[in-house]
Amino acid sequence: EPEVTQTPSHQVTQMGQEVILRCVPISNHLYFYWYRQILGQKVEFLVSFYNNEISEKSEIFDDQFSVERPDGSNFTLKIRSTKLEDSAMYFCASNGEGDTNYGYTFGSGTRLTVV
Amino acid sequence: RKEVEQDPGPFNVPEGATVAFNCTYSNSASQSFFWYRQDCRKEPKLLMSVYSSGNEDGRFTAQLNRASQYISLLIRDSKLSDSATYLCVVNRGHDYKLSFGAGTTVTVRA
Repeated sequence: EPEVTQTPSHQVTQMGQEVILRCVPISNHLYFYWYRQILGQKVEFLVSFYNNEISEKSEIFDDQFSVERPDGSNFTLKIRSTKLEDSAMYFCASNGEGDTNYGYTFGSGTRLTVV
Repeated sequence: RKEVEQDPGPFNVPEGATVAFNCTYSNSASQSFFWYRQDCRKEPKLLMSVYSSGNEDGRFTAQLNRASQYISLLIRDSKLSDSATYLCVVNRGHDYKLSFGAGTTVTVRA
């Protein structure tokens, strides 16, 4: 079964440092997403990406966040200057045709710990 | 009002029991509905899509009531491996992003 791959599985960083979370979506998928889940809380939408540009972003996705698809396979989330409250699981997801009747495939997540 | 609301549980049931729980959503224009399963500290995994006519997948039955804006999930003949958090997920429409409920925790005991 096709998978969405995320690296690293766990990242510890100091407050104020930049981090890049990496994702390899399913190869024929066209829509890509980042979600996050703070421990004990619900999964929250961050950003969607289609046709090499952001299609929508949430209020969480401020100027400290950016996404990129640099080489046609990787999909990255960058946090420029991390804060303690950025500590969370970050999930990448992809969707094939944008068909709203199909679920999304999530990666196994990156646990980000900001200290 | 939250976009997606779920009874957090926990539902503690013996093996073999039937357990059912609901979810409500606020946006009447929502188009697609899903149940995802999430194990502790793991990614959400699609359990099943929910269709207007209701649908079954083995021991799992999902129902959608658009008029009352709720979705339900019923698990028959519960197994220990069904212990997880079940996430109600709604697609709000053309933008394709998903809105998640906070999850309903189910624990099946031997």
